[in-house]
Amino acid sequence: SAVISQKPSRDICQRGTSLTIQCQVDSQVTMMFWYRQQPGQSLTLIATANQGSEATYESGFVIDKFPISRPNLTFSTLTVSNMSPEDSSIYLCSIRTGRYSEAFFGQGTRLTVV
Amino acid sequence: KQEVTQIPAALSVPEGENLVLNCSFTDSAIYNLQWFRQDPGKGLTSLLLIQSSQREQTSGRLNASLDKSSGRSTLYIAASQPGDSATYLCAVNGGGSQGNLIFGKGTKLSVKP
Repeated sequence: SAVISQKPSRDICQRGTSLTIQCQVDSQVTMMFWYRQQPGQSLTLIATANQGSEATYESGFVIDKFPISRPNLTFSTLTVSNMSPEDSSIYLCSIRTGRYSEAFFGQGTRLTVV
Repeated sequence: KQEVTQIPAALSVPEGENLVLNCSFTDSAIYNLQWFRQDPGKGLTSLLLIQSSQREQTSGRLNASLDKSSGRSTLYIAASQPGDSATYLCAVNGGGSQGNLIFGKGTKLSVKP
């Protein structure tokens, strides 16, 4: 399976600031996803970031708050903008080679907003 | 709307015991189901993927079964070890334009030496 590297692994940020999370894959993949895992909760899909098209956001998530870039088939970034303590979560990137194929995840970014 | 439930939320067993984790889903129209392991504060590690046409999948001490019609899956762990301690998540792929995964909240497993 592909190796997925996420940076940073954790960060503590001041409210009102923004953080950009990077996801690097060691092979080309079409489908890349960004998830959020709030404390004690399961994973919620933020958006799908397929190369060559605009990111598709799930209900409750907007581009102004979570802008995503997908410049090529091995890299994506998620920015958490104008952060508040409610944004404190683990953010994870995930890849799949096809709609029904096995999903793989990065190690996550643990974000704390103070 | 698909909902995924995992029971129990937490489980503590002595080392060496065989155990079963449960996952149920409300809409049986799924393409596959995947089990993951998550260590505290970390990402997810894929354990097993079961396609809708399959009844079970095995990997080492792990065996996952799927009964699509009843909306249930189980993850069987044989001869549990302290290193198995983690949260186990199941996720169903119900299709859609991107094949979005719907996750349960997980079962937190603690294996005592």
